[in-house]
Amino acid sequence: GNSVTQMEGPVTLSEEAFLTINCTYTATGYPSLFWYVQYPGEGLQLLLKATKADDKGSNKGFEATYRKETTSFHLEKGSVQVSDSAVYFCALSPNAGNNRKLIWGLGTSLAVNP
Amino acid sequence: ETGVTQSPTHLIKTRGQQVTLRCSSQSGHNTVSWYQQALGQGPQFIFQYYREEENGRGNFPPRFSGLQFPNYSSELNVNALELDDSALYLCASSSGAARSVSGNTIYFGEGSWLTVV
Repeated sequence: GNSVTQMEGPVTLSEEAFLTINCTYTATGYPSLFWYVQYPGEGLQLLLKATKADDKGSNKGFEATYRKETTSFHLEKGSVQVSDSAVYFCALSPNAGNNRKLIWGLGTSLAVNP
Repeated sequence: ETGVTQSPTHLIKTRGQQVTLRCSSQSGHNTVSWYQQALGQGPQFIFQYYREEENGRGNFPPRFSGLQFPNYSSELNVNALELDDSALYLCASSSGAARSVSGNTIYFGEGSWLTVV
């Protein structure tokens, strides 16, 4: 079946540190991959996405590359800020027939200290 | 298995009708959030309940309302259904008010598919 596995949090970093949040997936066919972010007190927001192998999604300094050979979609940012403190979710859409439901990881909490 | 259960899993309603969706949160979780995910779109935040009170709301009209019960289970009610309300409705539970990033994990249910005809 389809599944998403994220690294467990919480992740605590100092401002300007390099961030990696690992995400691997299991899926049949060619899923689309997403990273969502939830800031404190707010709902989920789409951060970035990639719809085919080798695509790189990027937004607000965050990047993730769709690696089919390693079934991974790791989130990276070169220099985090306090305002990046949030919970990050990796998700996939199977893109199989009428199945459009997102399969979600459990989320990784990030705290950035000044 | 996230421990968050939603019901019903699928339902069909007629335009103008009312619908109630239910969510049982994971044991010990006092915060429930509801999302609407239209076909081909990402989930949109509807509102959040913490200890029986609404403490956050997205850009949805008042005909979307909710409740949280003392056991922290929750309902989403939608009145005067419109065709555009057809979507997957996701419930998510966590502990805490989601106003800190203390490592609380958010668990999602499988969702309720609503079709309005």
